Amino acid sequence: AQKVTQAQTEISVVEKEDVTLDCVYETRDTTYYLFWYKQPPSGELVFLIRRNSFDEQNEISGRYSWNFQKSTSSFNFTITASQVVDSAVYFCALGLPEGQETSGSRLTFGEGTQLTVNP
Amino acid sequence: DGGITQSPKYLFRKEGQNVTLSCEQNLNHDAMYWYRQDPGQGLRLIYYSQIVNDFQKGDIAEGYSVSREKKESFPLTVTSAQKNPTAFYLCASSIGLAGHNEQFFGPGTRLTVL
Repeated sequence: AQKVTQAQTEISVVEKEDVTLDCVYETRDTTYYLFWYKQPPSGELVFLIRRNSFDEQNEISGRYSWNFQKSTSSFNFTITASQVVDSAVYFCALGLPEGQETSGSRLTFGEGTQLTVNP
Repeated sequence: DGGITQSPKYLFRKEGQNVTLSCEQNLNHDAMYWYRQDPGQGLRLIYYSQIVNDFQKGDIAEGYSVSREKKESFPLTVTSAQKNPTAFYLCASSIGLAGHNEQFFGPGTRLTVL
């Protein structure tokens, strides 16, 4: 079975601080996909990034960066110089190729991390 | 603009009533999904559909029903059999069911049972 753990329930930082959101996953499959989504107060989830299990290169997109380490089954997300607009719930999710899922779940979500950036 | 619309944004229901949540997409996606989100929790899959006239139960389908008569539409009915229906409901779609496909989400419907 697949599992995604986001141990940090809530994080509060002051604007301009760097913050890292942790994500640890469990799967027996060698092919899988990892995602990060942002859920602002409006409620709609916004896709941030997708990584496949064969690509361990770190990625940077503006103030966002992602560190994928298969050795520790982690896919951590760092926001540099945080801003108030970064305040949201962030979800990490694990996806399997079609046919390998169980119980019909295509994406397994973590419980989310509520990030609050204070001015 | 392409995207997913859900209506209504807020819905109140009396105990014992069925209610239907609307989800429409104009992204030409084959796959559609319904998730439930409870406070402080992740998303749990209720139902999903790969193609018109076909749908499958997710992890928490009891007390819910769906239909997929059109590619663009995937309404969810919360029946009186659902013991604890108060939650935030999110509809999503993707090009296909495979796990590498990004899912696009609607704005959600917040259902409250009075």
